[in-house]
Amino acid sequence: KQEVTQIPAALSVPEGENLVLNCSFTDSAIYNLQWFRQDPGKGLTSLLLIQSSQREQTSGRLNASLDKSSGRSTLYIAASQPGDSATYLCAVIVNSGYALNFGKGTSLLVTP
Amino acid sequence: GAVVSQHPSWVICKSGTSVKIECRSLDFQATTMFWYRQFPKQSLMLMATSNEGSKATYEQGVEKDKFLINHASLTLSTLTVTSAHPEDSSFYICSAGTGLAGERETQYFGPGTRLLVL
Repeated sequence: KQEVTQIPAALSVPEGENLVLNCSFTDSAIYNLQWFRQDPGKGLTSLLLIQSSQREQTSGRLNASLDKSSGRSTLYIAASQPGDSATYLCAVIVNSGYALNFGKGTSLLVTP
Repeated sequence: GAVVSQHPSWVICKSGTSVKIECRSLDFQATTMFWYRQFPKQSLMLMATSNEGSKATYEQGVEKDKFLINHASLTLSTLTVTSAHPEDSSFYICSAGTGLAGERETQYFGPGTRLLVL
């Protein structure tokens, strides 16, 4: 069974800092990997999707990388802002299935 | 485009009652809908996958007689929590896929429904 782990569980940084969120998964036979943002009590917003054949994806201040062989992905947030405060979830779809397997998320707080 | 709504957003009910949660794709046809549950500080856990016009596929450990799923049309799936108990209190989120059933299409998530069973 695919296990997805996110480190750290929580992170607090001052505004303007660059930061990295980590995601690891146990089964490297993945179809794709996605990073989501979840605001308190809200649904999910998809941030970046990386297909298994890709190494990274970028959107604005966000950059996600994928190293499938080592079972790792990172989400890099540049020049963090208070509006970035949310929980960030990593999820993978394995080759043998089509459901998203989620990590527990990293709760990010960016202080002014 | 690709908007998914859920109703209600909040529900409080007494133990033993049944609660129905609706998930609608507003501007696209969803051949596949997924239901997830999220307990506080935990990850989203897939409960079941429903394809329009067929029976839902439940994940291991999810009671199909307790969590009734109906996907009667391409834009609506419902989750009914029967005889709800306090341990069913959770955040329920649905997602809808736009591709053919079984394909690993992009999923669009609803805003979630918070259920509190007293």
